[in-house]
Amino acid sequence: EDKVVQSPLSLVVHEGDTVTLNCSYEVTNFRSLLWYKQEKKAPTFLFMLTSSGIEKKSGRLSSILDKKELFSILNITATQTGDSAVYLCAVASRDSGTYKYIFGTGTRLKVLA
Amino acid sequence: GAGVSQSPRYKVAKRGQDVALRCDPISGHVSLFWYQQALGQGPEFLTYFQNEAQLDKSGLPSDRFFAERPEGSVSTLKIQRTQQEDSAVYLCASSVLPGGSGGYTFGSGTRLTVV
Repeated sequence: EDKVVQSPLSLVVHEGDTVTLNCSYEVTNFRSLLWYKQEKKAPTFLFMLTSSGIEKKSGRLSSILDKKELFSILNITATQTGDSAVYLCAVASRDSGTYKYIFGTGTRLKVLA
Repeated sequence: GAGVSQSPRYKVAKRGQDVALRCDPISGHVSLFWYQQALGQGPEFLTYFQNEAQLDKSGLPSDRFFAERPEGSVSTLKIQRTQQEDSAVYLCASSVLPGGSGGYTFGSGTRLTVV
């Protein structure tokens, strides 16, 4: 059965800290891995990763994929209170033309001032 | 529109009542997806439309769940005879590409509470 596992489940840090969020997966017909930030309701897109070893970066956030070991990490440096959210990892598998996304349960990050 | 719009934002239904949830995707987006997100869980796939065709409904949990997208734009997710286990946030997402490759844009969701 396809699955996506995120760790830790929750994390509390202070402003300025660096955090690393983990996502491991077992999915048939892997196509891509995506990271989303969910603050209230709608997950907002952060990164899509398809190739191993190539870091994607956006400001203080960066992510990398290891397709051999089947995991990805999301790094946030110099955290701010606005980074407090649930971070969702989703893996896309292609089945009969549809990209079906399998989500992990998320990592709940709280950044204290 | 500029984003994916869902209505209502909140819905409280008595057990056994039928509900209809609406999704208005980004204009021109071919793909439309419905997801169910229970409290503390990640979203779980329900169904997928490419234009007006429902190509995948493997995630619908029972025959009480029905979705349509008759003109290839607005979609409605209908739940008949609601049960307490149906309480969740229902997320709609759309994508410009067929199949949803390249990622989705999510709406803000409808929080359904069945009492």
